[in-house]
Order: sequence, then C-alpha cells, then structure tokens
Amino acid sequence: AQSVTQLDSQVPVFEEAPVELRCNYSSSVSVYLFWYVQYPNQGLQLLLKYLSGSTLVESINGFEAEFNKSQTSFHLRKPSVHISDTAEYFCAVSVRGQGGKLIFGQGTELSVKP
Amino acid sequence: NAGVTQTPKFQVLKTGQSMTLQCAQDMNHNSMYWYRQDPGMGLRLIYYSASEGTTDKGEVPNGYNVSRLNKREFSLRLESAAPSQTSVYFCASTPMQGGNQPQHFGDGTRLSIL
Repeated sequence: AQSVTQLDSQVPVFEEAPVELRCNYSSSVSVYLFWYVQYPNQGLQLLLKYLSGSTLVESINGFEAEFNKSQTSFHLRKPSVHISDTAEYFCAVSVRGQGGKLIFGQGTELSVKP
Repeated sequence: NAGVTQTPKFQVLKTGQSMTLQCAQDMNHNSMYWYRQDPGMGLRLIYYSASEGTTDKGEVPNGYNVSRLNKREFSLRLESAAPSQTSVYFCASTPMQGGNQPQHFGDGTRLSIL
C-alpha cells in the first residue's frame, strides 16, 4: 500500500528566510507527485506537480520541489518566504491506473512571522 | 468560473440525523471524489466516481453512501450521523482517472454532529 509522510507538522519561519517542507512516500509502483496549498477556510489549490521528466519542478510563486526516486522524497522549498505564504501544505501521490485517487500526507502548517 | 461547488458550507446535526452533501462541477470532468479532512490526518478518500455511472469505495467509506447523479453532480449521504463524522468534507474533480492530472477542490462543507 502507498503512504505519504510529511515529517513536520508545523514549521515557523521568519519572513524572507528560506524554508523546506519535507515529504517522503512509499510505493512499489510508479506514482505522480503533487503539492497542494490550503489557505484558511478554503479548499486545496495545486501548487506544483511531478509527472515525469526533469526532477525539479517549479511553481509560479517561487516554490520548487525535487523528485528524488532513490530516497522516495519530494521536498518543497522556497528561498525567501513572504507573510502571504502562511498556509497548510499537503503532499500527495497518485498511483497510475488506480482511478486518480490521491493519498495525502498529514499536512505541514507553515507560519511566516514578520 | 465556478469550478467545484459544494453545498451547504456549514451544517450542524444531531446524532442519528441524516443529510446529503451536494457537489457539482462545471468543468466537464469525468472523475469526482469525496474526502474528509481531520486535524493531523490530512485528507482521506471516502468514495470516488471514476466516470459517470460508476462509484467505488475509498479508504474510509463506512457510514456513507454516494450517488453520481449525472456527469456534473456527485452527492455524499450520511444515513445516521455519528459524532465521529464531525469533519470538513471536500469534493474534488479531475478530467480523467489516469492519475496524472491534478484534482480541483471545492471550498468544503464543515459538518458538526452533536
């Protein structure tokens, strides 16, 4: 069975500092990888995805994630965070050919302080 | 662009009452999903519908039923609500069930059962 582990439940950081949100997954088959962001009282929004090809993927607002197959990781990074990045971040995997179901990690609450 | 619309946004029920959560998408997507979100547990799949006319159980289906009314609508029913079903419920949709396309989420239904 597939599973996703987000290693930090809460990450406090000061504005303009770098941040890394860690995600590890376990699967014996090929997966697609996603990061979603959830702002308070809203649904989830796609931040970025890895399907194939280049292992480094980027979002339009400065986040990036690197797929590491040997370590089964998909960590999310941003070199300089803003107050507006305060939100909960979810890592998720989808297994090919299994109905598009997403398996989510527990979530990481990013809190950016001035 | 409405995307995925969930109704109601909030609901309080008494133990044993029944209710139906509604979900509709206007993106002509084939696949639809119901998740529940609980603190520290991420999102867990309740039921999904890979295409119109089909439904399948997810990770936590007990106590729930679903109906894929047509291509646009996918409802979730609680026949006899229990306090353990207090949660935030999210509906999502995706164009195809292959797993390589991101899901689009509604804003959620916050359900409290007393």
